[in-house]
Amino acid sequence: QVQLVQSGAEVKKPGASVNVSCKASGYTFTSYGISWVRQAPGKGLEWMGWISVYNGNTNHAQKLQGRVTMTTDTSTSTAYMELRSLRSDDTAVYYCATSGTPAAHFDYWGQGTLVTVSS
Amino acid sequence: SYELTQPPSVAVSPGQTASIPCSGDKLGTRYACWYQQKPGQSPVLVVYQDNKRPSGIPERFSGSTSGNTATLTISGTQALDEADYYCQAWGSSTVVFGGGTKLTVL
Repeated sequence: QVQLVQSGAEVKKPGASVNVSCKASGYTFTSYGISWVRQAPGKGLEWMGWISVYNGNTNHAQKLQGRVTMTTDTSTSTAYMELRSLRSDDTAVYYCATSGTPAAHFDYWGQGTLVTVSS
Repeated sequence: SYELTQPPSVAVSPGQTASIPCSGDKLGTRYACWYQQKPGQSPVLVVYQDNKRPSGIPERFSGSTSGNTATLTISGTQALDEADYYCQAWGSSTVVFGGGTKLTVL
């Protein structure tokens, strides 16, 4: 069965960077893209961006442009999301999810990674 | 920027039908999908491409669209359906989520 297993919780100081990983199994990794979605405590879902595992093309939410980098490693079936210049309002649970295209629905989700930004 | 609007809360009695609307400009011309999220858990896709149900999702979940509104309908609502529900669509070159609706099964 399809599984996305994310890295563990992180605590970061303002201005630092965080790298969240998402290891996929149960399907051909290059068959789907990976989207990243975050959810601040008690709030709704916010899309961050999408990466094609097939060719590396990306599509980012405009508000995060310049602070987020998404990559994949097909040799380990792992996707990565780096967020830089962290602020307190970046505190959230970060999810990866499979998505055929940037506009498509998210079929499978990781378990989420809590990133806390605090001085 | 494109926006999707959902009511903050909907209440339903067990066994009754719950309808959760999601409105957005010309939403009927775009694909909409729906996620269920229970406390402390990841979202789960329950409807995609307006009215398709993923494998494993009970038949009581259905979706429809008309004009500017997509609707998630849960027939014969059960206590275990109590959760937050989010609609999603593509608009203004970005993925957009509705604000979420808390479904309470009284």
